[in-house]
Amino acid sequence: GENVEQHPSTLSVQEGDSAVIKCTYSDSASNYFPWYKQELGKGPQLIIDIRSNVGEKKDQRIAVTLNKTAKHFSLHITETQPEDSAVYFCAASIKAGNQFYFGTGTSLTVIP
Amino acid sequence: NAGVTQTPKFQVLKTGQSMTLQCAQDMNHEYMSWYRQDPGMGLRLIHYSVGAGITDQGEVPNGYNVSRSTTEDFPLRLLSAAPSQTSVYFCASSYSLGQASYTFGSGTRLTVV
Repeated sequence: GENVEQHPSTLSVQEGDSAVIKCTYSDSASNYFPWYKQELGKGPQLIIDIRSNVGEKKDQRIAVTLNKTAKHFSLHITETQPEDSAVYFCAASIKAGNQFYFGTGTSLTVIP
Repeated sequence: NAGVTQTPKFQVLKTGQSMTLQCAQDMNHEYMSWYRQDPGMGLRLIHYSVGAGITDQGEVPNGYNVSRSTTEDFPLRLLSAAPSQTSVYFCASSYSLGQASYTFGSGTRLTVV
């Protein structure tokens, strides 16, 4: 089955700096990659997603890039703010009808 | 819309007790899943359902049962609670399995003593 690895497990950045979280996947058939943000005491919420026919997607300060050849995808947060502090999860799905495989999460702390 | 509603938010059980975690969604999603979240292990799939009357096992199904009698509800039953089932449980739903993101509930924190 699919195996999703996520790095780093913890990340601290100064407010205003950029943060990058990276995930790799093992199955080249994976074709849908969502990113979730989980705030303390809450369930994960989708922040951005990308499909395998797209190399990059951006939504304001958040962007995701996908390298199908290397089988990795990354989350980029620019101009970080304290409210970006949370745990971020990546996920991959092999195809329609399959469940998601999640990374182990990255705890991001933005230092004011 | 309420989205995905989980109850209770917190629960303490004694070893050997049984209980049901409730999950309801009002988005008419066909696909519903239960995950457990443990430190350093991310989200692991327990059971899932692709529609009313259809359920299947995920990665860690042992000790749990599910049923899906309606589109809206997907309860998770712990048959005989064990300390290893201490975790945070999330219910999630989606309109398309594997090709659209999940909507997650706010979770149930379960402690088994």
